[in-house]
Amino acid sequence: DVKVTQSSRYLVKRTGEKVFLECVQDMDHENMFWYRQDPGLGLRLIYFSYDVKMKEKGDIPEGYSVSREKKERFSLILESASTNQTSMYLCATKSEQFSLGYEQYFGPGTRLTVT
Amino acid sequence: DAKTTQPTSMDCAEGRAANLPCNHSTISGNEYVYWYRQIHSQGPQYIIHGLKNNETNEMASLIITEDRKSSTLILPHATLRDTAVYYCIVRVFSNAGNMLTFGGGTRLMVKP
Repeated sequence: DVKVTQSSRYLVKRTGEKVFLECVQDMDHENMFWYRQDPGLGLRLIYFSYDVKMKEKGDIPEGYSVSREKKERFSLILESASTNQTSMYLCATKSEQFSLGYEQYFGPGTRLTVT
Repeated sequence: DAKTTQPTSMDCAEGRAANLPCNHSTISGNEYVYWYRQIHSQGPQYIIHGLKNNETNEMASLIITEDRKSSTLILPHATLRDTAVYYCIVRVFSNAGNMLTFGGGTRLMVKP
């Protein structure tokens, strides 16, 4: 079974704090993605990575950075958390071998609250 | 990318077929129709996708109209566990940035 895990299910941070969200997958997938999901706005892509040390901006990269030092791990970093970054954060992975479809596998999500 | 329109919510009796419609009238010839669902407090789950032929897998069937302007996801025997938000997405197949963007989706409530 495909498994994608995220470091925390719920997180509360203060404005200005540096926040790390980690995602780990055990499927040896090349592609990894970070999304945020907000009511009324659906799912929006923040960053994605198609290989170790490679990263590409998604639709809403401002205020975020990412790190992919190992194939199985993709980290999302909020350099200085702000209240408008309160959201559900979802990590996803996809194998290049199945690139015909958008069969992305999602983690359980991290609900981040910035106060 | 073609925009999709789905009803906000639907109810279905347990054991009956759930038919979830999606309109994508501006779909272009190289765009696929994908369906995902998201059960409360979980990440989205891939269900099925198709280009123009009807598709079936162990989870659901996808019926795409001949003009490809609409499609219907069918859960043949809905269970309580199928209660979720169902998202219809239309995207071009591309290796560059295989990203997903979800709209509002349809909240399916399966009732006993």
